[in-house]
Amino acid sequence: EAGVAQSPRYKIIEKRQSVAFWCNPISGHATLYWYQQILGQGPKLLIQFQNNGVVDDSQLPKDRFSAERLKGVDSTLKIQPAKLEDSAVYLCASSLAPLLGGFLNTEAFFGQGTRLTVV
Amino acid sequence: AQKVTQAQTEISVVEKEDVTLDCVYETRDTTYYLFWYKQPPSGELVFLIRRNSFDEQNEISGRYSWNFQKSTSSFNFTITASQVVDSAVYFCALKGNRDDKIIFGKGTRLHILP
Repeated sequence: EAGVAQSPRYKIIEKRQSVAFWCNPISGHATLYWYQQILGQGPKLLIQFQNNGVVDDSQLPKDRFSAERLKGVDSTLKIQPAKLEDSAVYLCASSLAPLLGGFLNTEAFFGQGTRLTVV
Repeated sequence: AQKVTQAQTEISVVEKEDVTLDCVYETRDTTYYLFWYKQPPSGELVFLIRRNSFDEQNEISGRYSWNFQKSTSSFNFTITASQVVDSAVYFCALKGNRDDKIIFGKGTRLHILP
């Protein structure tokens, strides 16, 4: 079974530029998460999708970050314009829908992440 | 509010020693799930174990074991006979049944010295 795919692996941009990250979740996983992990910290949830609908985006800085999952499969996360403090690893994860998962298989599986450096 | 606390920022032990990573959680949900993830230097988060709130049985998988105690809201992780390959950052995480969010602790960086 293929895992969560993310691209690119690395990205270096100047502040005020824009950048986009792509994620392809595990086949059949309805829930998709985007996390931001700043060096030395735990992952912080930015946005969570259930199919193509947003479940939670309370910690997404909406003035500069946006995300979509138009067909309920792949997702893109965009930053425009980037700031120095956006330098981090952006992790995508997916899991089965809660109803299907029940008490089982509710864990999230992560991609390798995109390391963003803003200079 | 959901919260996960990993009080140990960094631990160093000599190879073959046993080591326990602590995790304390807070939640108002009556049904919830706890997880441990490993993040090696490559950066990918690797799922290790899931526990639901109804199952307080401890679990052992090879050199890994987990101790879940609802009375103290703790879900500790023990590595027996540690190996250099165990060096990584370990994260404890919590998922409540109401909102399906997975909240992570700040992680414990484990160094296994040869």
